[in-house]
Amino acid sequence: EVHLLESGGGLVQPGGSLRLSCAASGFTFRNYAMSWVRQAPGKGLEWVSAISGSGANTYYADSVKGRFTISRDNSKNTLYLQMNSLRAEDTAVYYCAKDAHAVAGNFDYWGQGTLVTVSS
Amino acid sequence: QLVLTQSPSASASLGASVKLTCTLSSGHNNYAIAWHQQQPEKGPRYLMNLNSDGSHSKGDGIPARFSGSSSGAERYLTISSLQSEDEADYYCQTWGTGIHVFGGGTKLTVL
Repeated sequence: EVHLLESGGGLVQPGGSLRLSCAASGFTFRNYAMSWVRQAPGKGLEWVSAISGSGANTYYADSVKGRFTISRDNSKNTLYLQMNSLRAEDTAVYYCAKDAHAVAGNFDYWGQGTLVTVSS
Repeated sequence: QLVLTQSPSASASLGASVKLTCTLSSGHNNYAIAWHQQQPEKGPRYLMNLNSDGSHSKGDGIPARFSGSSSGAERYLTISSLQSEDEADYYCQTWGTGIHVFGGGTKLTVL
């Protein structure tokens, strides 16, 4: 059974940093691309960043480019999102999502999310 | 630009059927999409992948009353025999090289 468990969310001041983790199990992690998707309070889903199965290719939404860094450790079956220079508009529940393929495709499994609140 | 458009809301009666629509932007008629369900206070759940020819493959444990179809730039999600637990937000998703895109979501109310 596929399981994705996010952690690392919390309250951070504007300009601060936070690192999210997503522990994966139930599938061969290195074979699949992974993404981070966020949802601001009362809003829809917004794709944030993606990484290929090998980790060689990374992609970002314009809203986070230059501030966020996605990475993965295939030996630990873990996905990461390093978030720097955080802004109030980054406040959201952050979900990790498994791609159905090694490169971009539909998401077929989701985690339960971790809440990031950026506020002074 | 790759954009998905959904109606903000829909409603249907318990036991009835409803058809939700996701429209691809001009020039992207051949794109596949995925449908995801988000029940209140929960994370999203993958429902199905839907190709331009209407063929679709569903996620684990998705009931047969959920089905998909396509026509041109439109992608549809039909839910038959509506149940109270179907009241949720429904999002369509598509993708390209280095990008994923979500529609704005449709809030389905079961009357």
